[in-house]
Amino acid sequence: GAVVSQHPSRVICKSGTSVKIECRSLDFQATTMFWYRQFPKQSLMLMATSNEGSKATYEQGVEKDKFLINHASLTLSTLTVTSAHPEDSSFYICSATTGVVGGYTFGSGTRLTVV
Amino acid sequence: AQTVTQSQPEMSVQEAETVTLSCTYDTSESNYYLFWYKQPPSRQMILVIRQEAYKQQNATENRFSVNFQKAAKSFSLKISDSQLGDTAMYFCAFMKDRLVFGKGTRLSVIA
Repeated sequence: GAVVSQHPSRVICKSGTSVKIECRSLDFQATTMFWYRQFPKQSLMLMATSNEGSKATYEQGVEKDKFLINHASLTLSTLTVTSAHPEDSSFYICSATTGVVGGYTFGSGTRLTVV
Repeated sequence: AQTVTQSQPEMSVQEAETVTLSCTYDTSESNYYLFWYKQPPSRQMILVIRQEAYKQQNATENRFSVNFQKAAKSFSLKISDSQLGDTAMYFCAFMKDRLVFGKGTRLSVIA
């Protein structure tokens, strides 16, 4: 089956630094990738949708300049949290789709802690 | 905008028993997809079952089945013969052009 690899699984960074999270589709080409944020004991909140070769579409309320998304190839999307602050600490999850309806595959998530 | 409501924050069931998780949604669309996802303690999102809105027949996947009532905009999940490994957060999700998740139901299967 389709596999999405997300790295790192955990990262701790200092306030003010930037952190990059990678999301790779291992055995299929992902036309679209999604980035979610999940607070403790809450649901997944869609942050942005990225399509290969074009700019990401951000959900309302998500800061584009803070959460930089790049989808440079059909197998890789990256989320960079710039100038991270403690309030950015959260669980970030990516998912990818081949374009087949319902064909969403999720990464294993990244727990970001900003100290 | 579509919304998904899961009215049961937490539920528990005895091992081998049956449990039903509720989900309702609001949309003006006629064609869409509905999903149930499972998130165990590992936090990996796992697809449990999916339903196409244009299909009247309820989807079934082994011990998991749904009761899809399109007119009522209801999409409940029934888990039969519950197993300890079913313990997880369960999210109902609606999809037209993107996934919209409910707030989840925490299911505990008790031995």
